[in-house]
This record gives sequence, structure tokens and C-alpha cells, in this order.
Amino acid sequence: DVKVTQSSRYLVKRTGEKVFLECVQDMDHENMFWYRQDPGLGLRLIYFSYDVKMKEKGDIPEGYSVSREKKERFSLILESASTNQTSMYLCASSLQVHGYTFGSGTRLTVV
Amino acid sequence: AQSVTQLDSHVSVSEGTPVLLRCNYSSSYSPSLFWYVQHPNKGLQLLLKYTSAATLVKGINGFEAEFKKSETSFHLTKPSAHMSDAAEYYCVVSVIFGNEKLTFGTGTRLTIIP
Repeated sequence: DVKVTQSSRYLVKRTGEKVFLECVQDMDHENMFWYRQDPGLGLRLIYFSYDVKMKEKGDIPEGYSVSREKKERFSLILESASTNQTSMYLCASSLQVHGYTFGSGTRLTVV
Repeated sequence: AQSVTQLDSHVSVSEGTPVLLRCNYSSSYSPSLFWYVQHPNKGLQLLLKYTSAATLVKGINGFEAEFKKSETSFHLTKPSAHMSDAAEYYCVVSVIFGNEKLTFGTGTRLTIIP
């Protein structure tokens, strides 16, 4: 089975901190994605990547950046955390046309 | 552009009765459609997917969905609800144009009444 591992299940950070959320997949998938999940809003795409060192903005990229130095790792960076970035963050990976595999999520609270 | 609308944010049914979760989609190209389920404090799990083969798609745990192009719908059904079906359900659309990108609906919370 494909595994997508998010390094932290729960995180609490202070406003203004730089925050790194890490995601690693073990099946050599080209595509990786970061979503945030909020009640009543579903999952919204923040950034995605179809190859190493490649990144594209999703629907809500403001306040976030990403890094993909190796194929298996895709990091989400909150440059200066704010309280409106308190959310559940989900990482996913996929091969073309095969659907996604999701990680278990990181619940981030910014205080 | 592609989008998906889940018509009900919350559905409640009694155990043993049918389940219907409604989803309409919009896409400029031939879409692939998915239903995902998320149980409380669990990750997202793929229930079923439509990728331009048979229009009636069977998934796990007795769920199925029918792709209706004329109605731009992809409703999820189950003949008899079980307590374990209580979860959040997401309808998802994807267009294979180069690489795949999923667009999620806002979710439907299914509650099962004993």
C-alpha cells in the first residue's frame, strides 16, 4: 500500500512564527498536493507539484509556500503564521489517473 | 474550469433505510468523478470512482453511484444504512488534462439514527 506520512498529527504555533509541515510518500509518485480542510468549506487546494523542484499555485496560495527538493518529500511553509491559518492540513500524492492517497492530516492551531 | 456542488450539507437517515447523497458537477471536458469518505478522526478513503467506463459504479461497503451526463449528476446511494456509515462524504471532480487535479465539494455529513 502507498503510504503518505505527515510528520506531525497536532501542532500549536504562535502568530508570526515560520511553520514547516512535512509530507513524505513512499511509492515514487510524481504528483503531490497540499490541501486545507475547514468545516463547511471542504478541501481547498493550496499548492501542488508534478515534479521535483516544480510547484504550482492552487486555489488559496496566499500566505503559503512549498518546497520539493526530492521526489518523495513535499513541504508546506507558512512564512508568518496567522490565526486564520488554524486548520487541518492534508497532503496527498498520486500517479496520473489513479486517484489520490491522502495522509492522516496535521491539525495546526495558531495562537 | 471544473466545480462540484454537494446539494446537502447534512443528511440524517434511520438505520436500515436508503441513503442518498446528491452531487452535481460542472466541467468543460469529460470528467472523472469520485466519492471519498472520512470517518471521525480518520483520513480520507476512496469509496468509488467513475472514469468513463460503466455509468453505474459500485464501490466499497455497498455504496454505488450513477453518472448522468444529461443531468450533470453523480449521486451516491446505498440501499440500507448502517451505523458505521456515519461520516463526512466528499464528491470530487477531476479533469485529466496533462496531469490530474482534484476539485472537492464542500462535503455532506451523514448521520445515522438508531
